[in-house]
Amino acid sequence: DAGITQSPRHKVTETGTPVTLRCHQTENHRYMYWYRQDPGHGLRLIHYSYGVKDTDKGEVSDGYSVSRSKTEDFLLTLESATSSQTSVYFCAIRKDRAEAFFGQGTRLTVV
Amino acid sequence: QQQVKQSPQSLIVQKGGIPIINCAYENTAFDYFPWYQQFPGKGPALLIAIRPDVSEKKEGRFTISFNKSAKQFSLHIMDSQPGDSATYFCAASNSGYSTLTFGKGTMLLVSP
Repeated sequence: DAGITQSPRHKVTETGTPVTLRCHQTENHRYMYWYRQDPGHGLRLIHYSYGVKDTDKGEVSDGYSVSRSKTEDFLLTLESATSSQTSVYFCAIRKDRAEAFFGQGTRLTVV
Repeated sequence: QQQVKQSPQSLIVQKGGIPIINCAYENTAFDYFPWYQQFPGKGPALLIAIRPDVSEKKEGRFTISFNKSAKQFSLHIMDSQPGDSATYFCAASNSGYSTLTFGKGTMLLVSP
């Protein structure tokens, strides 16, 4: 798994509650990404980071925030979870502008 | 908006057949085109990738064909096996932009 750990792997939460997903890497790669995967939509970029404290929005960033205070950790926060955020979330890392490695995913259900 | 269009959505072939998955892109600045393979419950994993300075790349039974003028690229799987049954994603990026843009995926089933 290229040294990527996502936690938790599964989570069920109630509408309106805050949720934080964690991505941890041991590779010291510069780039880290959060994607969501939904049937019929493929992988869509939520946010990404190109260094500590350097982040930017992807195509589906509304309702999500991120933080990267250390090279190895990239956190994704849903400030107030909604049912439309039920999805599988993948973290990815990329050393340079080439191969990206993905984590095992976090299955989030918002009820 | 950067887009990568992938087809077909799903594909069924018999063992030994040659499934072909196609992708088209719009941004001529794209210069890196990977294919990812994903099994149920797992994250996508890089299968093979190509840059636009070549028209074809082979790795084992997997081949990427690239047509720069048509802005299209495709994945061929030779002598397909049931173990190749998975979802395949094409993607694209450019060296001046650090993100990967993915197609919507193709679910491949190789029947025994």
